[in-house]
Amino acid sequence: DTAVSQTPKYLVTQMGNDKSIKCEQNLGHDTMYWYKQDSKKFLKIMFSYNNKELIINETVPNRFSPKSPDKAHLNLHINSLELGDSAVYFCASTRQANTGELFFGEGSRLTVL
Amino acid sequence: GQQLNQSPQSMFIQEGEDVSMNCTSSSIFNTWLWYKQDPGEGPVLLIALYKAGELTSNGRLTAQFGITRKDSFLNISASIPSDVGIYFCAGRMNNNAGNMLTFGGGTRLMVKP
Repeated sequence: DTAVSQTPKYLVTQMGNDKSIKCEQNLGHDTMYWYKQDSKKFLKIMFSYNNKELIINETVPNRFSPKSPDKAHLNLHINSLELGDSAVYFCASTRQANTGELFFGEGSRLTVL
Repeated sequence: GQQLNQSPQSMFIQEGEDVSMNCTSSSIFNTWLWYKQDPGEGPVLLIALYKAGELTSNGRLTAQFGITRKDSFLNISASIPSDVGIYFCAGRMNNNAGNMLTFGGGTRLMVKP
């Protein structure tokens, strides 16, 4: 049973399209995150949710909209995709928000053509 | 914003050799963590450090939380081929609400059998 699972694993799409990435964790954690990893492997936080409530929203364009229907799910919707959105997006969760001990999903590789 | 300088950026070593990598920051962190990312996977937590001066081991891995709270190092002894991957340091401050981690740029480790 995968602890943090993301779908799809790969996504290839045209500029201007809208796409979503889904994330589910079965660890019973209250806090979930979205991270973006660029081509140089640099990891940057995008959003953090605690018990369905938005906690962190780093300087991310408003084309990116996270949605948390319940504390086990955190989905990422991206409107009007741009070339620069191409990256690997990682979902993560943590049991205790003050530890930094994150469990990451396998990542969703988004390629915008 | 905070920055973590991780070095070296990459290492190519012979199986059996010891490895050392470090992370420095201009800011003080309350928690230092080390993650490993295998190709096509998400980062996995290796070691978490919570006190300045703390030295913690996990098998062949040893990490230390620098006494100034601005640095940390990770050592791997007697490297083996499965140690290949990207190692990330991460720091966390207590004074943010969302448990935001700052990641280093990663150290790419390659091991020659």
